[in-house]
Amino acid sequence: SQQGEEDPQALSIQEGENATMNCSYKTSINNLQWYRQNSGRGLVHLILIRSNEREKHSGRLRVTLDTSKKSSSLLITASRAADTASYFCATALGTGGFKTIFGAGTRLFVKA
Amino acid sequence: EPEVTQTPSHQVTQMGQEVILRCVPISNHLYFYWYRQILGQKVEFLVSFYNNEISEKSEIFDDQFSVERPDGSNFTLKIRSTKLEDSAMYFCASSGVQGRFEAFFGQGTRLTVV
Repeated sequence: SQQGEEDPQALSIQEGENATMNCSYKTSINNLQWYRQNSGRGLVHLILIRSNEREKHSGRLRVTLDTSKKSSSLLITASRAADTASYFCATALGTGGFKTIFGAGTRLFVKA
Repeated sequence: EPEVTQTPSHQVTQMGQEVILRCVPISNHLYFYWYRQILGQKVEFLVSFYNNEISEKSEIFDDQFSVERPDGSNFTLKIRSTKLEDSAMYFCASSGVQGRFEAFFGQGTRLTVV
């Protein structure tokens, strides 16, 4: 499998529901990041979690990291139609962490 | 709010031609990146640039590609002889010292090679 694989590939929920996306990776990491991409647009950095952290919150976002399982999850609570986008996890590799590798992403569709 | 700007937003070029994609990173950022995204596929790392030199590059970033920071504000990606498979969205990104791993992305340049 590739470094940074998300599942599910696509997720469709009703507004107000929670959305959970998962990411698995292969190598040891210093940190893991989540990004959002609206269709055809640039990526927006959402949150970074360091390898010594287990959980982090930012507004309606909650990220967990399990380094023993090499996995992370992104939870969006009380979803809104505006949350419709693709969500990617990313890990920084290489000496100095200058090489950021993105997963294939989860396409989230929130129905109003 | 500071942002990364990319020009042009869309470029159409003939196969074999050289293209230069331009980016203006956020002014106090020190780390610069190029990524590409072929339609419907994942975002792929191309190259990172710090302290006026390439820090990392991917297998995609072969001799046909080069990057330059010609002055204090611009960061360019040059493709010397474009191929059909270079058609993609190219994203520039930058990050600062305090948040090195929190990259700010431009809106991208859609490159179409015909």
